[in-house]
Amino acid sequence: DAKTTQPPSMDCAEGRAANLPCNHSTISGNEYVYWYRQIHSQGPQYIIHGLKNNETNEMASLIITEDRKSSTLILPHATLRDTAVYYCIVRVASGEYGNKLVFGAGTILRVKS
Amino acid sequence: KAGVTQTPRYLIKTRGQQVTLSCSPISGHRSVSWYQQTPGQGLQFLFEYFSETQRNKGNFPGRFSGRQFSNSRSEMNVSTLELGDSALYLCASSSRTGGKNIQYFGAGTRLSVL
Repeated sequence: DAKTTQPPSMDCAEGRAANLPCNHSTISGNEYVYWYRQIHSQGPQYIIHGLKNNETNEMASLIITEDRKSSTLILPHATLRDTAVYYCIVRVASGEYGNKLVFGAGTILRVKS
Repeated sequence: KAGVTQTPRYLIKTRGQQVTLSCSPISGHRSVSWYQQTPGQGLQFLFEYFSETQRNKGNFPGRFSGRQFSNSRSEMNVSTLELGDSALYLCASSSRTGGKNIQYFGAGTRLSVL
C-alpha cells in the first residue's frame, strides 16, 4: 500500500501557483519524498525529490515540513500543459534497497484558462 | 542522451496468446523495472532486474516473467493472455547507485487483449 495520502483532485488557474499537498505521516528517517506526474497515457515523469530540506529545480519546488510528515509540491506558474496526475511517493533513495515505486491514486491537477 | 525506449507502442492480442515487450534503458543504467497500469488498479510494480538478475517481484501470477540481457535491455513476457491483462505496461530505468537513484520511465506499451 502507498504510504502517502493526496487529495483526489485540484483546480488551478493558468498562470497561478499550484500547490499540491501530500501527507506521509509514517515516513522513516531514511526515506525521501519523490514527486512524479503523468500526463494522459504517457509514462510518469520525474519532477523532484527531497529528504528534509526544501528543494527547487527548473520544474518545481518541494517544501517538506520540519517533522517530515507532510510536503507540498509547488508549480510556480501553472500552464495548461501542467494538467496531469501528480504522484507523491516515499521511498529509500539507495537502489540497494530495491527500486520498487509504490504509487497511490495521486492528485488530478486541472489547470484552467 | 536518449530516454527509455519501449517497443512496440501498441499491441493487440487474443486470449490465450503470449506476448513479449521490450525495453531499452537509458545508456549506463543497469536497473530496469516494469509496471502495469490499469484503470482499476492504477500503477503496480511487476518486477525489477539488475545485472541480469531479478531483484524484486510484485504480486503478479507466474504468467508474467521477464529477463535482462548483458547490455541491460530487458524483456517481459506474458503467457496465456487474459482479458484482464489489457493495460499500459511501463518500463523504468535507473542507475541504482548514489543518493538520487531516479527512475525514468518510457512511454509504455499499450496492450489490448481481445
